[in-house]
Amino acid sequence: DSGVTQTPKHLITATGQRVTLRCSPRSGDLSVYWYQQSLDQGLQFLIQYYNGEERAKGNILERFSAQQFPDLHSELNLSSLELGDSALYFCASSVASGMQETQYFGPGTRLLVL
Amino acid sequence: DAKTTQPTSMDCAEGRAANLPCNHSTISGNEYVYWYRQIHSQGPQYIIHGLKNNETNEMASLIITEDRKSSTLILPHATLRDTAVYYCIVRGNTDKLIFGTGTRLQVFP
Repeated sequence: DSGVTQTPKHLITATGQRVTLRCSPRSGDLSVYWYQQSLDQGLQFLIQYYNGEERAKGNILERFSAQQFPDLHSELNLSSLELGDSALYFCASSVASGMQETQYFGPGTRLLVL
Repeated sequence: DAKTTQPTSMDCAEGRAANLPCNHSTISGNEYVYWYRQIHSQGPQYIIHGLKNNETNEMASLIITEDRKSSTLILPHATLRDTAVYYCIVRGNTDKLIFGTGTRLQVFP
């Protein structure tokens, strides 16, 4: 158990819909990262927040957005969903920001868009 | 960040040491080598990381060559539960982790 929690575990929805994925980092961790893992793209970095502020952006679609709240939990919002958005979404957290900071991953949310 | 090259798959007998190689010939002096593994579709699990020196923890050992162009992750006594995809990641001046395709390790009885 990494200490990172994600809800829900599974999500089934229809194309065009909007969903929100939630992540609670390990106690004391200020940095939160979101990754997407699809069958054809592998594990890809989406976005990072550090202490409430956006720190880095990866291959995140404009239809996706995220935020980190004052209590440090984070939410990833996916809108106008398409079939290709079906994937595993992982959240990771680290104490701070930087290449020496180990990221610990949550169990993920499996999203299926029908 | 430097690119890594890993074998697609490897087998290992239970109880034997699993030695997983990784080539990172373009690594820069300040880049770290990280290893993660992913068991089935679970979240990636951190194993170990290092810069220049060999490292050991309760899970594994990391051997980095003197020129830092390659490294080996060693699981000293592999068990069936070590069957997973193992990712070698070189991490430089970036917070994100760049995952490649990894090595699929199959531990057999």
